[in-house]
Amino acid sequence: QSVLTQPPSVSGAPGQRVTISCTGSSSNIGAGYDVHWYQQLPGTAPKVLIYGHINRPSGVPDRFSGSKSGTSASLAITGLQAEDEADYYCQSYDIRLSGWVFGGGTKVTVL
Amino acid sequence: QVQLVQSGAEVKKPGSSVKVSCKASGGTFSSYAISWVRQAPGQGLEWMARIVPIVDIEQKFAQKFQDRVTITADRSTSTAYMELSSLTSEDTAVYYCARERSGRGSWAYNWFDPWGQGTLVTVSS
Repeated sequence: QSVLTQPPSVSGAPGQRVTISCTGSSSNIGAGYDVHWYQQLPGTAPKVLIYGHINRPSGVPDRFSGSKSGTSASLAITGLQAEDEADYYCQSYDIRLSGWVFGGGTKVTVL
Repeated sequence: QVQLVQSGAEVKKPGSSVKVSCKASGGTFSSYAISWVRQAPGQGLEWMARIVPIVDIEQKFAQKFQDRVTITADRSTSTAYMELSSLTSEDTAVYYCARERSGRGSWAYNWFDPWGQGTLVTVSS
């Protein structure tokens, strides 16, 4: 059971918009700690997509965007493409556990 | 451009230990922290520990691994190490090292970029 809760899967047709939620609590996201998002393509290491809730590293398409509200955060993918099929993870810090925690991951399928 | 290259796959017996290395190239090794994250087969990511090579005593551990993980860093070879002891089948996983990027203020705001390629550790009798 992950400290941060994500839906196991989301799907969409090419060109559509999908969102992935990341629900935490008052000891992590709600305490004001930053949320970061990673993309993990099959058989590869994770790669940062969004850091500090909303910031994209250079090279990440602007189709990816992040937001945060209260004890939750979201990752949106607009203009879904076949290459976006991957697992996505959110990450934050938990003050009760005194360490970083991840969401359980969400598998994005392009129909 | 920092790159992290990890050691190869390992097969270990239950009760033994495993030591994984993570060699950095590019950047200044001592100027950033290294974290270790693992991923069991078909499962999510789990943070284990962190070390700041310039200050070896600055180490943090996830409560779950506190008693079984040893992390070190060799500044002369720009290599970080993670040793996990008392292995069980539950420790079968891919182990990643990752450089921490600094967020605002405390290290708690950091994120991981880049990651090493991962090292598969299989624990089997």
